[in-house]
Amino acid sequence: DTEVTQTPKHLVMGMTNKKSLKCEQHMGHRAMYWYKQKAKKPPELMFVYSYEKLSINESVPSRFSPECPNSSLLNLHLHALQPEDSALYLCASNPGPFRIGGAETQYFGPGTRLLVL
Amino acid sequence: GQQVMQIPQYQHVQEGEDFTTYCNSSTTLSNIQWYKQRPGGHPVFLIQLVKSGEVKKQKRLTFQFGEAKKNSSLHITATQTTDVGTYFCAGAGGTSYGKLTFGQGTILTVHP
Repeated sequence: DTEVTQTPKHLVMGMTNKKSLKCEQHMGHRAMYWYKQKAKKPPELMFVYSYEKLSINESVPSRFSPECPNSSLLNLHLHALQPEDSALYLCASNPGPFRIGGAETQYFGPGTRLLVL
Repeated sequence: GQQVMQIPQYQHVQEGEDFTTYCNSSTTLSNIQWYKQRPGGHPVFLIQLVKSGEVKKQKRLTFQFGEAKKNSSLHITATQTTDVGTYFCAGAGGTSYGKLTFGQGTILTVHP
């Protein structure tokens, strides 16, 4: 299995809703990532988990809450989002482990298209 | 922090013409990766370059990594309509662990 899966594919939510995005990989990768991508822009790193521990938080607002229950699964909990949070949310994984200044190939999932009304 | 600049932002070509996109990093990179994102799709890994001066080919695609490991290019020979999409470079380096810095991307349109 060489793919990263994400659910749901599309999500529409109001600003008072709570929802979760899910990401799964069965490649034995030990690093998992959340990115946010706006139209015609590059992926913007949000969080990195390494060996199920949060290793990078790119100063993301607390209305986004990541969770890594095990090495195959990554969640992103959403609460009280703003319309400007509407974007494509991409999950990615790579084998790890990390070394200073190193980064291995990212395997991206298909993403969740989020619309906040 | 590390910055990766990519040009051009847009490129329109006629089918059969060549295409090149360039990346420049503000710091020396440990490696550079290239990704392609089709319209409505997600980034898909194309290649990773690690060594200074490295050149790699994939059919009509040629990737180069500069001698100083601060710049890179992707050249497509004789474009086809299937080449349409956004091409991103992404660099690793500095003091980060497992973090890629993406260029802004080049959006390629191929007219038949």
